[in-house]
Amino acid sequence: DAGITQSPRYKITETGRQVTLMCHQTWSHSYMFWYRQDLGHGLRLIYYSAAADITDKGEVPDGYVVSRSKTENFPLTLESATRSQTSVYFCASSDRTTSGNEQFFGPGTRLTVL
Amino acid sequence: AQSVTQLDSHVSVSEGTPVLLRCNYSSSYSPSLFWYVQHPNKGLQLLLKYTSAATLVKGINGFEAEFKKSETSFHLTKPSAHMSDAAEYFCVVSYNFNKFYFGSGTKLNVKP
Repeated sequence: DAGITQSPRYKITETGRQVTLMCHQTWSHSYMFWYRQDLGHGLRLIYYSAAADITDKGEVPDGYVVSRSKTENFPLTLESATRSQTSVYFCASSDRTTSGNEQFFGPGTRLTVL
Repeated sequence: AQSVTQLDSHVSVSEGTPVLLRCNYSSSYSPSLFWYVQHPNKGLQLLLKYTSAATLVKGINGFEAEFKKSETSFHLTKPSAHMSDAAEYFCVVSYNFNKFYFGSGTKLNVKP
């Protein structure tokens, strides 16, 4: 089905391990985003990308790395996971249209770092 | 700095009564405004959006919101709450295509 998908949906890892969260969209949207959602903080932007090979930091980028070699994929890597990175991660995409630039969200990845 | 304030962290209504979720934004520019809903353990779904057309915006599931520039507000309303409306609601402001500012969310509880 068309849309925006995330994998895995659930992940448990240990402190210090590298973890990659995948995001894939089928709309060819230019913009893609990674957010984390924590109790009491709402959604906070980690990184975003305006196009393939163009990425920029958001509000909370430390400890995360992104890449975007293809328009449809925007993986998020935790290079050395820490307990504070336990969270729910949402990927989103958007594009310039005459009807507005709303974001479309994936279903989320629940990450637990032990 | 741009910001979005959702004035109530929790709202509780009885089924069949009106819903009002309040959102104010700070901006010197004309924004795009959105309301998203998040049901438990789900992703975010767009309810409605304002993008400088009509100031009264109708969304899905009977929700609507009114953009009031003089008050810098974009409050979400529904005439009659349903049990299925129980969820968390986020007000979001955007000033260009790569900056979205989220409110802290309002949890709506609907009592039978």
